[in-house]
Amino acid sequence: KQEVTQIPAALSVPEGENLVLNCSFTDSAIYNLQWFRQDPGKGLTSLLLIQSSQREQTSGRLNASLDKSSGRSTLYIAASQPGDSATYLCAVRGYQKVTFGIGTKLQVIP
Amino acid sequence: GAVVSQHPSWVICKSGTSVKIECRSLDFQATTMFWYRQFPKQSLMLMATSNEGSKATYEQGVEKDKFLINHASLTLSTLTVTSAHPEDSSFYICSARGSWNEQFFGPGTRLTVL
Repeated sequence: KQEVTQIPAALSVPEGENLVLNCSFTDSAIYNLQWFRQDPGKGLTSLLLIQSSQREQTSGRLNASLDKSSGRSTLYIAASQPGDSATYLCAVRGYQKVTFGIGTKLQVIP
Repeated sequence: GAVVSQHPSWVICKSGTSVKIECRSLDFQATTMFWYRQFPKQSLMLMATSNEGSKATYEQGVEKDKFLINHASLTLSTLTVTSAHPEDSSFYICSARGSWNEQFFGPGTRLTVL
């Protein structure tokens, strides 16, 4: 059974700081890994999708890496802004289903 | 990216009533749709997987007679919460997967059962 862990559970940083969110998973037989953002009471916004054959993906200030063999992914956010405040979810897709982590709640302080 | 919509976005109902939530893929055909549930401060949990024209596959612990899923077309799946109770209050999110194998998520439906 796939288990996805996200560390830290919560993070508070001053505006402008670079930060890293971590995601680990127990079963390396994955199809892809996806990072989402979820605002309070809202649905999911897809940020980055990394296929199992890829090492990283970049979009703007976001960079996600994947080390499938060690069961780890990181989401790097550069020059954080107050608008980045949200919960960030890591989702690992196995060959049958997607397993989500509980998320990291990020607060960027102006 | 592809768009998935859900209706309604929120619903409040009385205990004992049934509630239907719709999930639509707007610009692609979804051969498979998924229903998730998210309780406060918890991760999304997969409830069931449905393929168009066939019965849904439910995850362990999810009552199929309580959560009725219908995937009658390639663009529409419905989740009906029958005889809803306060403990069914949750955030329900659907996702849809087309031929290119990526899953796209709907905006979610918040259900509150009084």
